[in-house]
Amino acid sequence: DAMVIQNPRYQVTQFGKPVTLSCSQTLNHNVMYWYQQKSSQAPKLLFHYYDKDFNNEADTPDNFQSRRPNTSFCFLDIRSPGLGDAAMYLCATRRTESNQPQHFGDGTRLSIL
Amino acid sequence: ILNVEQSPQSLHVQEGDSTNFTCSFPSSNFYALHWYRWETAKSPEALFVMTLNGDEKKKGRISATLNTKEGYSYLYIKGSQPEDSATYLCAFIPNYGGSQGNLIFGKGTKLSVKP
Repeated sequence: DAMVIQNPRYQVTQFGKPVTLSCSQTLNHNVMYWYQQKSSQAPKLLFHYYDKDFNNEADTPDNFQSRRPNTSFCFLDIRSPGLGDAAMYLCATRRTESNQPQHFGDGTRLSIL
Repeated sequence: ILNVEQSPQSLHVQEGDSTNFTCSFPSSNFYALHWYRWETAKSPEALFVMTLNGDEKKKGRISATLNTKEGYSYLYIKGSQPEDSATYLCAFIPNYGGSQGNLIFGKGTKLSVKP
């Protein structure tokens, strides 16, 4: 049974048209992460939440925003997607205790037309 | 900039072959190292969380070792099976004053096992 669920699996949007990716979890984990992975590259952390505390990575473009309305849900909003934003977007969760692995969703593959 | 390197980038082996690949990471400010297996169309799945120099961990036919002093970890697969085909990602966690940082991933090693 999937414990971290990402929707949709595949998303196609037009250049400049806002898009939202969603992630939900049944694990009740405090920490949630969004990663971007471009082809043949390492997954790159965009931001994470520790409970409601939002932590943005220094090099995450301003175009990328996130919301976490409650423990279970987290959203990634891309305000004006460019061609360079086409990638796999992974959501992950983690318990707060030290040395816990992250639990990932299946990812959303975003294409920009 | 903290860099995590994995080699080889890809590997093709025959069923039954044993194989290993390498993850190199900064040898200073170490907190932990994670290994994940990522099969196509599935989610990355945690294999090992390694924290101590000299750690050896095993899960079935897969094992991993850790050398924090020289900054490397090896992942071994004994008697590869087609179902082992996946991308194997390692991720380094830096130590920030005793607190754990976030995962810094390598690009992965893509393993293909031919029947």
